[in-house]
Amino acid sequence: QPVLTQSSSASASLGSSVTLTCTLSSGHNNHIIAWHQQQPGKAPRYLMKVEGSGRYNRGSGVPDRFSGSSSGADRHLTISNLQSDDEADYYCETWDGNTWVFGGGTKVTVL
Amino acid sequence: EVHLVESGGGLVEPGGSLRLSCAASGLSFSGAWMNWVRQAPGKGLEWVGRIKAKIHGGSTDYAAPVKGRFTISRDDSKNTMFLQMNSLRAEDTAVYYCTTAHLALSDPDSWGQGTLVTVSS
Repeated sequence: QPVLTQSSSASASLGSSVTLTCTLSSGHNNHIIAWHQQQPGKAPRYLMKVEGSGRYNRGSGVPDRFSGSSSGADRHLTISNLQSDDEADYYCETWDGNTWVFGGGTKVTVL
Repeated sequence: EVHLVESGGGLVEPGGSLRLSCAASGLSFSGAWMNWVRQAPGKGLEWVGRIKAKIHGGSTDYAAPVKGRFTISRDDSKNTMFLQMNSLRAEDTAVYYCTTAHLALSDPDSWGQGTLVTVSS
């Protein structure tokens, strides 16, 4: 089954951009992944899915400041024009049809 | 808009049982694959298990820590999914979320607000 690796933390200044990376384990380069945001004390919220070609599809109501991209086994989430309420944990997720897995999450701090 | 509402959480003693429900609206529930995901206090997200739509066989799969103790089922006539949890352990203490489990890039997923299960004597 696939394994997802995320950095534990990232930080950037208000109004700037930050890119988070989720790396798929060997042999799973073609997997679609999903990104989810979890603000403090709240349930997770679906942001988008990203495929190996770099195509991505945002969820309803997700601002276009959030974008996805891909490079090999890496799936990226870029947040542009960083806002204070973007401070949250971000999780990636993938599946192989019978098993779902989550990355360990990246905590984003807005400076 | 998809709306998922979990219920049934609470305090239970080790070795006890609990049944969670997830009521869905705003989607074609009978055709949807659904997941249960949990989050222990201060920890990350952990997949618990999945049930396929009946048109795809309705089969279930589970994460290793819960296999043999937890059972997922669904009642499409009530747009509701269930999680029967038996032989509960302290390490099962978590907020339990139901989510949709759409596989395609074009199909967004949704989360419920979660229900807290505490296993303690």
